[in-house]
Amino acid sequence: EAGVAQSPRYKIIEKRQSVAFWCNPISGHATLYWYQQILGQGPKLLIQFQNNGVVDDSQLPKDRFSAERLKGVDSTLKIQPAKLEDSAVYLCASSPTGRDTGDTLHFGNGTRLTVT
Amino acid sequence: SQKIEQNSEALNIQEGKTATLTCNYTNYSPAYLQWYRQDPGRGPVFLLLIRENEKEKRKERLKVTFDTTLKQSLFHITASQPADSATYLCALGAWGTYKYIFGTGTRLKVLA
Repeated sequence: EAGVAQSPRYKIIEKRQSVAFWCNPISGHATLYWYQQILGQGPKLLIQFQNNGVVDDSQLPKDRFSAERLKGVDSTLKIQPAKLEDSAVYLCASSPTGRDTGDTLHFGNGTRLTVT
Repeated sequence: SQKIEQNSEALNIQEGKTATLTCNYTNYSPAYLQWYRQDPGRGPVFLLLIRENEKEKRKERLKVTFDTTLKQSLFHITASQPADSATYLCALGAWGTYKYIFGTGTRLKVLA
């Protein structure tokens, strides 16, 4: 099966600019996650979708970050305006059901964002 | 607040030895715990899952233990190889939320 696809792989922007990341999960996976991974740290959950509904966005900085999942498949994460502290790798992951303790996360290779 | 701790310093071991990585947590009651491997420039890859009512799980050269009394999981790689060099992350999940909280990861280097 094809893995989780993310684009772009790298992005460099200046602070106060906007940026968008795209994710295509594994076909048929109901749950989609966006994680932020700052260098030297573990992934931090930003938002979790179940099909096209938001399950958890408690750690999403909603004044600047937004995300949507189109028709319960692809997803985009947007930052506007970007700050220096947003420099990180943005990982997208999917899982089959999101409602089974046996579920595992399948990650894409991420988008490395550098804000200058 | 919830806290998941892994050895922040890199672990260097000699090829052929057993690597043991720890994952400690506080203020959390996970229903299950997962271990992932992450290589530079790549996303994490799932390795093993263990549930709260299980003490130990094995897969080839990998073994995971889960002690809910000590609030700790140990991850072992036996007969380690240089190809095992990577960062290893533990992730905890709670009943009902299916939300995974990750530790900071431990970088393992296996020396030839």
